[in-house]
Amino acid sequence: GNSVTQMEGPVTLSEEAFLTINCTYTATGYPSLFWYVQYPGEGLQLLLKATKADDKGSNKGFEATYRKETTSFHLEKGSVQVSDSAVYFCALNQAGTALIFGKGTTLSVSS
Amino acid sequence: DAGITQSPRHKVTETGTPVTLRCHQTENHRYMYWYRQDPGHGLRLIHYSYGVKDTDKGEVSDGYSVSRSKTEDFLLTLESATSSQTSVYFCAISESGTSGNQPQHFGDGTRLSIL
Repeated sequence: GNSVTQMEGPVTLSEEAFLTINCTYTATGYPSLFWYVQYPGEGLQLLLKATKADDKGSNKGFEATYRKETTSFHLEKGSVQVSDSAVYFCALNQAGTALIFGKGTTLSVSS
Repeated sequence: DAGITQSPRHKVTETGTPVTLRCHQTENHRYMYWYRQDPGHGLRLIHYSYGVKDTDKGEVSDGYSVSRSKTEDFLLTLESATSSQTSVYFCAISESGTSGNQPQHFGDGTRLSIL
């Protein structure tokens, strides 16, 4: 069946450091891929998405490229801020099914 | 922000009691979902609805039932709560569940503790 695997956290970085959170998936066909972010005490917010191979999703300085050949959708940001501290979820959605989430990666950024 | 309201936001109850959580949306979206979030498991789908009175089971549906009598409301019921159902519950909505590329929008969650 479909599944999503994320790197385990927590990821601890200093402000202005480069961020990568790895995400790989297993799916038949061509799923859409998403990154969601959850700040403490809140629900999940859509961060970015990509719906076909080689698409790049971007938002708020975050980017992720849909790589079909490596079944990956890694999240990157060039310079993180303290306000980026949150839990990040990779997810996939295939037509006719519900979202399937990874287990989440906690990011902690210190000044 | 998508207009999604979950109630209550926090609840503490005892084992064996019935519990109903409510999700209300103002977006007129067709699809509504209930997830639970537990450490080490991410979010797991409990039930979802694809229209009024149309619902289906998700990955972890045992012990839960749902109802949708109006487009805007989706209720999740624990008929006889157990400690294993202590969790944070999230409601989500989307315009379409079948196209695959429509994102889901989430409410702020209900923290449920069963003692």
